[in-house]
Amino acid sequence: GQSLEQPSEVTAVEGAIVQINCTYQTSGFYGLSWYQQHDGGAPTFLSYNALDGLEETGRFSSFLSRSDSYGYLLLQELQMKDSASYFCALGGSTLGRLYFGRGTQLTVWP
Amino acid sequence: EAQVTQNPRYLITVTGKKLTVTCSQNMNHEYMSWYRQDPGLGLRQIYYSMNVEVTDKGDVPEGYKVSRKEKRNFPLILESPSPNQTSLYFCASSSPVTGTETYEQYFGPGTRLTVT
Repeated sequence: GQSLEQPSEVTAVEGAIVQINCTYQTSGFYGLSWYQQHDGGAPTFLSYNALDGLEETGRFSSFLSRSDSYGYLLLQELQMKDSASYFCALGGSTLGRLYFGRGTQLTVWP
Repeated sequence: EAQVTQNPRYLITVTGKKLTVTCSQNMNHEYMSWYRQDPGLGLRQIYYSMNVEVTDKGDVPEGYKVSRKEKRNFPLILESPSPNQTSLYFCASSSPVTGTETYEQYFGPGTRLTVT
């Protein structure tokens, strides 16, 4: 099966940088993606790593190391609006199959 | 506007009364999925569909049915709802043009279901 672990909570101040880690166990997967969800809202796609290395999208970057079964989401220049839950998700060996972590609640303080 | 719509958004029902939650997408996506979200458990995939008439089980399929008769629609059916199916449900769609875009899923607004 597949399992993903991420911290349940992270806090930081405006303007800071925060890293949300995701470790996983899997028998095979296509890639690791990240989603953001504000309270009461739908998850929205942030980033995807099919290959090892860093993917950068504006203030957000995501990293994957298949050899370490590890990835992270890096958020720079934090803003209050970044306060949300962040989920890592593994694409399973079957296209369409997706496994989510339990989510990390990020709180950004002024 | 590209979107995934779900109906109803809120539903309170009683144990055993069959219900259907509809999901529709206007992006011509091949892949569609249903998830449930419970506090502390993240999103768990219930069923997913790779195309019309092709569906498969996710993490928690028990007590649910799905059908994919048209590309745009993917209804979730609870034949005999029970209180442990009280949850927030999301429908999502994506398009595997290259095989990687499956993981850029577009989510509907959610359906909050309460079964008493």
